[in-house]
Amino acid sequence: QVQLKESGSQLAKPSGTLSLTCEVSGGSVSSNFWWTWVRQSPEKGLEWIGEVSYAGTTNYNPSLKDRVTMSVEKTWSSNQFSLKLDSVTAADTAIYYCARATRGSGFNDYYGLDIWGPGKPVTVSS
Amino acid sequence: EIVMTQSPGSLSMSLGERATLSCRASHNIAISLAWYQLKPGQSPRLLIYGASTRVAGVPGRFSGGGSGTEFTLTISSLQSEDIAVYYCQQYHEWPSRTFGRGTKVAI
Repeated sequence: QVQLKESGSQLAKPSGTLSLTCEVSGGSVSSNFWWTWVRQSPEKGLEWIGEVSYAGTTNYNPSLKDRVTMSVEKTWSSNQFSLKLDSVTAADTAIYYCARATRGSGFNDYYGLDIWGPGKPVTVSS
Repeated sequence: EIVMTQSPGSLSMSLGERATLSCRASHNIAISLAWYQLKPGQSPRLLIYGASTRVAGVPGRFSGGGSGTEFTLTISSLQSEDIAVYYCQQYHEWPSRTFGRGTKVAI
């Protein structure tokens, strides 16, 4: 049974970079899924940040794309994907979730985010 | 960019009542829509994709419908464990898979 878990710093400084990693257990990050980041805040509810495939294809929320980088790491010792968000402000304070979506061949050949991590609260503050 | 509008923002129901939640897309999204349930302190749970396909393990009282720009999530007989915020998500138009702002269901 596939499980996801977020890790990284719970605190980021304004104008700095927020970095999170999602460890995949019980399955391989090299499988044909979209590996996704979503955040939750009281102001916006759920916000889709973006997704990355094992092949390195990325799709980002247009409102965040200039600040977001996602990647997948598969080695003998790691089976994970990551998120970097640059130039953060207090508006980036949220609970960050990693999640998995089953995918097909086209962008809308998609079956929803069926597995989620427990979430990582991140605060942006000096 | 496709904007998803959910209504009402909150819904107060009695146990056993039928709850109908709405989600409207700013453009035609065919049936490229999913519904999620989010309870306090938990991670979101996928309920439905393809506008009406229920995920394995989701109770039969949850049903989804609609196509194009108008969609509904119906809870046929509200249970106490259904208290949550429900979100719709479109995945029709590259590059973004936008969520609505959610509907809070309370007793």
